[in-house]
Amino acid sequence: GEDVEQSLFLSVREGDSSVINCTYTDSSSTYLYWYKQEPGAGLQLLTYIFSNMDMKQDQRLTVLLNKKDKHLSLRIADTQTGDSAIYFCAEGANDYKLSFGAGTTVTVRA
Amino acid sequence: NAGVTQTPKFRILKIGQSMTLQCTQDMNHNYMYWYRQDPGMGLKLIYYSVGAGITDKGEVPNGYNVSRSTTEDFPLRLELAAPSQTSVYFCASSDPGGMSNQPQHFGDGTRLSIL
Repeated sequence: GEDVEQSLFLSVREGDSSVINCTYTDSSSTYLYWYKQEPGAGLQLLTYIFSNMDMKQDQRLTVLLNKKDKHLSLRIADTQTGDSAIYFCAEGANDYKLSFGAGTTVTVRA
Repeated sequence: NAGVTQTPKFRILKIGQSMTLQCTQDMNHNYMYWYRQDPGMGLKLIYYSVGAGITDKGEVPNGYNVSRSTTEDFPLRLELAAPSQTSVYFCASSDPGGMSNQPQHFGDGTRLSIL
């Protein structure tokens, strides 16, 4: 099956940039996603990128994709306390199913 | 739009009891999914459906059953609850439309404890 791996924890100071990394193994992945989960809530789609793109920027979020190394990253600029959450990387091919990483818990400290 | 709605939000069951987790979506999505989330394990796909009357097993289907009689509803049934089924359950939906892999939309989850 497909494997998606992420580091489990990240601590960042308020105002700094956060970078969350993800690696995947399925070379047939066509879409890669970042979801955010706040305590007690479901997963909220943050952004996604097609596999033929290298970069996507959306306000404070920048997604970088290195398809050769199967490496995906999410950068959050000017991290705020409201960005404290669990962030999931997910990859999907053409069968409409997603494989999720275990999630990175981001803690923003003052 | 309410999106994806799951009920109940919390439930405690005794070993051997049965229950149905409800999921409904109002986005007219063809595709629906059930996941379980265990600490440090990410989300694992239990069952999915590509349309009314069609269901298929995911990665961890044992101990569960589903049905899809309408486009809107996709209930998940636990027949004989076991402690290993203590988890947070998420329902999601998506609709590929003209493109593959439209994003999945998630409900807020059902937190289930089996004691």
